[in-house]
Amino acid sequence: GAVVSQHPSWVICKSGTSVKIECRSLDFQATTMFWYRQFPKQSLMLMATSNEGSKATYEQGVEKDKFLINHASLTLSTLTVTSAHPEDSSFYICSARDGTGVIYEQYFGPGTRLTVT
Amino acid sequence: AQSVTQPDIHITVSEGASLELRCNYSYGATPYLFWYVQSPGQGLQLLLKYFSGDTLVQGIKGFEAEFKRSQSSFNLRKPSVHWSDAAEYFCAVGTNDYKLSFGAGTTVTVRA
Repeated sequence: GAVVSQHPSWVICKSGTSVKIECRSLDFQATTMFWYRQFPKQSLMLMATSNEGSKATYEQGVEKDKFLINHASLTLSTLTVTSAHPEDSSFYICSARDGTGVIYEQYFGPGTRLTVT
Repeated sequence: AQSVTQPDIHITVSEGASLELRCNYSYGATPYLFWYVQSPGQGLQLLLKYFSGDTLVQGIKGFEAEFKRSQSSFNLRKPSVHWSDAAEYFCAVGTNDYKLSFGAGTTVTVRA
């Protein structure tokens, strides 16, 4: 149980275009989803926290107009990288928290590799 | 503020040898602690977690960790490593607002 999927697993896009990444909880309802960014050989950096039906809360330094997050249902959150540039190339990982489970436990998706050319 | 320190950036260990990864945390109350493993290009897999109770926690893949409040540590151990254990290992602590704060990670290389 507690499976989180991400789609796509990798994507290449041209500079200036937008890319949407989906994060789904497959067998539980995720009251909260988190979006992380990971640069090569580095740790995970939390970008934002989203709760179903409300606006995402962004971490300091993360551009909310650049990284649009929508959490429209209890099983789906999306991250849209708008007007992508090469510096946005990274590994994006989502996680989800089961509202009925242990409050600190997060289940992680497999990640999405974004390359902007 | 909560924080996690993993002092070892890279550890190389021979196959069959024991492994210990260090993790120190900074947190005012009883911490919620986690160890995750990440293979190249993959997401994070939970190895084990500590919330309360027995301070020696058993996890998957033969890993265990011991919570030591006096030392603010939560070190991960495995008695005998396999080549498939080569990966990146992250220690994390649950923060006040239900987020996770990760350490910088330790890369484990297994030599034959």
